[in-house]
Amino acid sequence: EADIYQTPRYLVIGTGKKITLECSQTMGHDKMYWYQQDPGMELHLIHYSYGVNSTEKGDLSSESTVSRIRTEHFPLTLESARPSHTSQYLCASSELGLANTGELFFGEGSRLTVL
Amino acid sequence: AQSVTQLGSHVSVSEGALVLLRCNYSSSVPPYLFWYVQYPNQGLQLLLKYTSAATLVKGINGFEAEFKKSETSFHLTKPSAHMSDAAEYFCAVSGSGGYQKVTFGTGTKLQVIP
Repeated sequence: EADIYQTPRYLVIGTGKKITLECSQTMGHDKMYWYQQDPGMELHLIHYSYGVNSTEKGDLSSESTVSRIRTEHFPLTLESARPSHTSQYLCASSELGLANTGELFFGEGSRLTVL
Repeated sequence: AQSVTQLGSHVSVSEGALVLLRCNYSSSVPPYLFWYVQYPNQGLQLLLKYTSAATLVKGINGFEAEFKKSETSFHLTKPSAHMSDAAEYFCAVSGSGGYQKVTFGTGTKLQVIP
């Protein structure tokens, strides 16, 4: 079954630690996204990618970085976590080009708490 | 440019009552419109989408929405609320044509009162 997976689902970590949030999809999609969602529910696009070796900044500035070495994998890294990074991070994917109707397919999210 | 406005960050309805969640959009190109639902500690799941076919769109779980170009609206309705409908609902807009970005509204939290 085609799907999109995020790990870990929950992470509690101390300030200054390096963390990587994993996102993998078996949808065969070229375009992938990372959204940040704070307790007020609003979604903010922080990174996206059109395909392998493509990464772009989103609408909300973020200290995180992303990479796209394989089509199906789009990890997000924070080199030094801070309490201000506490949030839920949602990964999504979509078709690219004329096949793209704008529909996004979301993972279940990674909830990060930095102490 | 495009934007989405969801009226009411919180909506409460009684079980069995009509659900109406409001969404207005602006878009400089013919839009695609979406409603997503998010249950606690989950990602977003597509409820329904409008992509320039029928203006009345039926989705999962008994929800439907009507695209009204003259009112630039895409309100979500369900005739009879169920307890399991309690969740966050997001309206989103995308321009048609492949490379357009998706813009989300700020969300509406639906509470269903027994």
